[in-house]
Amino acid sequence: AQTVTQSQPEMSVQEAETVTLSCTYDTSESNYYLFWYKQPPSRQMILVIRQEAYKQQNATENRFSVNFQKAAKSFSLKISDSQLGDTAMYFCAFNTDSNYQLIWGAGTKLIIKP
Amino acid sequence: SAVISQKPSRDICQRGTSLTIQCQVDSQVTMMFWYRQQPGQSLTLIATANQGSEATYESGFVIDKFPISRPNLTFSTLTVSNMSPEDSSIYLCSVEDPRTGVREQYFGPGTRLTVT
Repeated sequence: AQTVTQSQPEMSVQEAETVTLSCTYDTSESNYYLFWYKQPPSRQMILVIRQEAYKQQNATENRFSVNFQKAAKSFSLKISDSQLGDTAMYFCAFNTDSNYQLIWGAGTKLIIKP
Repeated sequence: SAVISQKPSRDICQRGTSLTIQCQVDSQVTMMFWYRQQPGQSLTLIATANQGSEATYESGFVIDKFPISRPNLTFSTLTVSNMSPEDSSIYLCSVEDPRTGVREQYFGPGTRLTVT
């Protein structure tokens, strides 16, 4: 079965600190795509960052970067210089070439404190 | 990336009635998806809507309860029929943008439904 596990239900950090959200997944497919989505209280689901499994280089988008460990099936998200606007639910998800359906984790609630 | 709008953004409905949610995309897309997100939960896929064919429903969701239309490559509707309080959720549509070359999905702003 394909699964995603986010082991941190909630995290809280001070503004400007760095925070890492963990995600592990399980699939037997060789080619897949990993995603982090952000859902602020406005409920809009926003794509934060993506990683193609065949790429060894970790993806980076401004203050957001991932640590992709393919052998360990780990895909953590690092947020540098956290801002109040980063407060949101963060969901890890993946799909594959053979199955477009996104498999979702349960989410991590991130609170940035001033 | 594709820009997606949904209407209504929220509604409060009486049990036993139906609500139709609209999803409009600013570009042509092949695959559109409808999700339900219950309070405090992750997303659950209701169905995949492809233009020109019947929607494909996931386990636990049936066409009589959640009929879907997909008349063209930029528009879809989801109807929540014969509503009960258990249908109170956020309903989101998403699309897979073929221009990106990656199987990522972009989401509409969601419809918050409350059934009383």
